[in-house]
Formats: sequence, C-alpha cells, structure tokens
Amino acid sequence: SAVISQKPSRDICQRGTSLTIQCQVDSQVTMMFWYRQQPGQSLTLIATANQGSEATYESGFVIDKFPISRPNLTFSTLTVSNMSPEDSSIYLCSAATRGKNIQYFGAGTRLSVL
Amino acid sequence: AQSVTQLGSHVSVSEGALVLLRCNYSSSVPPYLFWYVQYPNQGLQLLLKYTTGATLVKGINGFEAEFKKSETSFHLTKPSAHMSDAAEYFCAVSEPGNYQLIWGAGTKLIIKP
Repeated sequence: SAVISQKPSRDICQRGTSLTIQCQVDSQVTMMFWYRQQPGQSLTLIATANQGSEATYESGFVIDKFPISRPNLTFSTLTVSNMSPEDSSIYLCSAATRGKNIQYFGAGTRLSVL
Repeated sequence: AQSVTQLGSHVSVSEGALVLLRCNYSSSVPPYLFWYVQYPNQGLQLLLKYTTGATLVKGINGFEAEFKKSETSFHLTKPSAHMSDAAEYFCAVSEPGNYQLIWGAGTKLIIKP
C-alpha cells in the first residue's frame, strides 16, 4: 500500500486569497487524483494529476480556479484560487499504482473560507 | 456509464447486531467493486475490494462483501457491530484497467450502545 501525507490538515482562509495543498506519497505511483468532499456528501473528482503534463479536469472544474502541479511520481499540489465561502470543503488527494486498481487516500485538508 | 446506489444515507444498529450496508451498481462491463470507510475527520481507508475470482470478499475489521452479478449488488456485512465501526461507508465501482472510481453517496453507520 501507499502512505500519503497531505498538508495542511486544515486551514481557515480569507475570501479572495489562494491556498496550496500538498500531497506526498511514500512511493512512486502512476496516478494521482484530487477530490472535493462537501460536508456530509460523497467525493467529487476535481482532476487527475498527470506527471509531466497538464492535469485532466472533470466537468465543472477549471485550471484557472484549481491549478495542479505534479513535478514527479511522488508529489502533487492543488491550489484553490481566489477563494469564496463556496470553496469551503474537504480536499482529498489519492494515488494509485498501475496494475493495482486501488486508490489510497490522504487524510484530507479541511478548508474554511470566511 | 457506470453508477452506484447506496440504499440508506443513515443506518443505525445496536452494538453486537448484524451490520448490512447495501450497494447496487450498474456497469456495462464486469466491474471492479470497492468499499471504503471514512472515520470522522479522516481520509478514506480501503475496507475490501472485488476484482475477479471468489465472489465473497473478506476485508479488514471483520467486514465482508459478496458480489452478486445477477442482482448487481455488492452489499457489505459484519456479523457483530462494534462501537468503533461508527463511520461513513462508501461503495465505489470502476472498469478494469480504469483507475477512476465512481462513488456512491455514502452511508453513515450509527452504532447504538
């Protein structure tokens, strides 16, 4: 299995600012994903972070709002830009290794925007 | 297109009683099926998965699930609930070779003393 460290674990931010969330995996992984989980709800996939190329965004999510980097096979960042209270949510990073079809998750970042 | 339906947003059982969390899926190809658990203020942890082979799958913490193709179901069970089982449980499906998961809405398991 992969161990995923995500930070910060929580933050309270002001409207209009940006927050960058980091996701570090303890081994090289093929796929990394970013999810949003609003209170009491299921997971919504934001994007797949591709190593060495632009992320693949799901419908309703755009790069200007959620820029993603993945500089190597063990690390990715998600930035939530120009935040509004509607961005208050839990953001989760996950990773999978080719051939194993299992996603492992970080503990999440709990974001509150005032 | 694949989809997942979890019956019951909240399930309440007494400590020591049987836990049954329901999951039905739709898929045009033989699916891979997963159950994840999310404890309060934590990320998701894989409980068990079905890919191929034996249809009764055993997972961690005494949970198991049975893949029933004819019923398109993958219900999660545990013979005897423990207080520590209180959490949110998510069922998910994927196509073989596709790493993206389609998620159910989740079921919150409440354990009564």
